[in-house]
Amino acid sequence: GEDVEQSLFLSVREGDSSVINCTYTDSSSTYLYWYKQEPGAGLQLLTYIFSNMDMKQDQRLTVLLNKKDKHLSLRIADTQTGDSAIYFCAESMELSGGSYIPTFGRGTSLIVHP
Amino acid sequence: EPEVTQTPSHQVTQMGQEVILRCVPISNHLYFYWYRQILGQKVEFLVSFYNNEISEKSEIFDDQFSVERPDGSNFTLKIRSTKLEDSAMYFCASSEDLAGGYNEQFFGPGTRLTVL
Repeated sequence: GEDVEQSLFLSVREGDSSVINCTYTDSSSTYLYWYKQEPGAGLQLLTYIFSNMDMKQDQRLTVLLNKKDKHLSLRIADTQTGDSAIYFCAESMELSGGSYIPTFGRGTSLIVHP
Repeated sequence: EPEVTQTPSHQVTQMGQEVILRCVPISNHLYFYWYRQILGQKVEFLVSFYNNEISEKSEIFDDQFSVERPDGSNFTLKIRSTKLEDSAMYFCASSEDLAGGYNEQFFGPGTRLTVL
């Protein structure tokens, strides 16, 4: 079955770039996602990338996809204390019913210190 | 901004008891989901629900689990006879539709279920 792995913790200094990495096993993945979870809140979709893309940029966020290595990364430029959260990598492919149910990793806790 | 809400935020129950976890999805959404996350483990899909019936379910979603949309606003997950291993954070999510294959699900804050 599908599996998504990511490191559990990342600590960065405010103003530096953060890079959160993820690997997945399913080569049929159609969409890959990054979700953010702040304390006491639900998972919130940050960004996604379609599997035929290599890169997607959205303001301070850059997503890189290496489909050959099944590696996804999320780079946050100029990391702020408000970026401290858990970041979940997820992949999905179309199921028989036409839905895309994400398979999540364990989440990476990003800690931003002054 | 509309959001998914879940009640209660924390539920403690005795093993063997039935629990009902409640969710209010975003009002114009048509697809509803339950996920769970056991402490330290991955977020796992349980079930999706559309048009008053289950559309997808995982192996975890066995006969002990059921879902219902009892009225126009609530979406519930029932666990008939809780086990210790059901202790987890349960997330409800909803999405507007399946259009375009890109499926943004909006998640609630979760209910932490503790089975003693």
